[in-house]
Amino acid sequence: KAGVTQTPRYLIKTRGQQVTLSCSPISGHRSVSWYQQTPGQGLQFLFEYFSETQRNKGNFPGRFSGRQFSNSRSEMNVSTLELGDSALYLCASSTEGGYTFGSGTRLTVV
Amino acid sequence: GQQLNQSPQSMFIQEGEDVSMNCTSSSIFNTWLWYKQDPGEGPVLLIALYKAGELTSNGRLTAQFGITRKDSFLNISASIPSDVGIYFCAGSNYGGSQGNLIFGKGTKLSVKP
Repeated sequence: KAGVTQTPRYLIKTRGQQVTLSCSPISGHRSVSWYQQTPGQGLQFLFEYFSETQRNKGNFPGRFSGRQFSNSRSEMNVSTLELGDSALYLCASSTEGGYTFGSGTRLTVV
Repeated sequence: GQQLNQSPQSMFIQEGEDVSMNCTSSSIFNTWLWYKQDPGEGPVLLIALYKAGELTSNGRLTAQFGITRKDSFLNISASIPSDVGIYFCAGSNYGGSQGNLIFGKGTKLSVKP
């Protein structure tokens, strides 16, 4: 059974640009959540999607957005990148048994 | 907002030693989770706790859900080199399978030089 797949694994962007990250959940999982991990703030919840609808949202600015498609795949977008957006972005898909995290996308903003 | 205090921040282990770490919260949770993260990977679920007072084991790992619902403990017995990594506690009010998880800052386990 394939796990949670995140692409790309690594990304370097320039300040002011925008970026789109992709997440394919485990087959059959309808919920996808996104987290930002930084050395200073740790793991912080961005948002959760279920059946193409945002179900929960964390305390991040509107530059961070996401969506979910009918096949449960999800994308998150960050516009007008700032240096502080450099982080590991983790996607997790879930079912009743709990969350399974992907390996993340390492975003570096220069 | 809700915050978790996880301690210790780091610790050194020698093979065969027992290890303990804990998490406390300013507010209650109805689910406590413990994850381990290896370098370059996402967190992997070790143990999930759903009931106050619950004590659950997974091999050499044992975790407890505090009676007050504001704390949890993880013990690792007879540590081995592959136990090295970062351990995170997480609290949830949605049963641990939806909504936002609140994570502690992690406990980094390293091998004693």
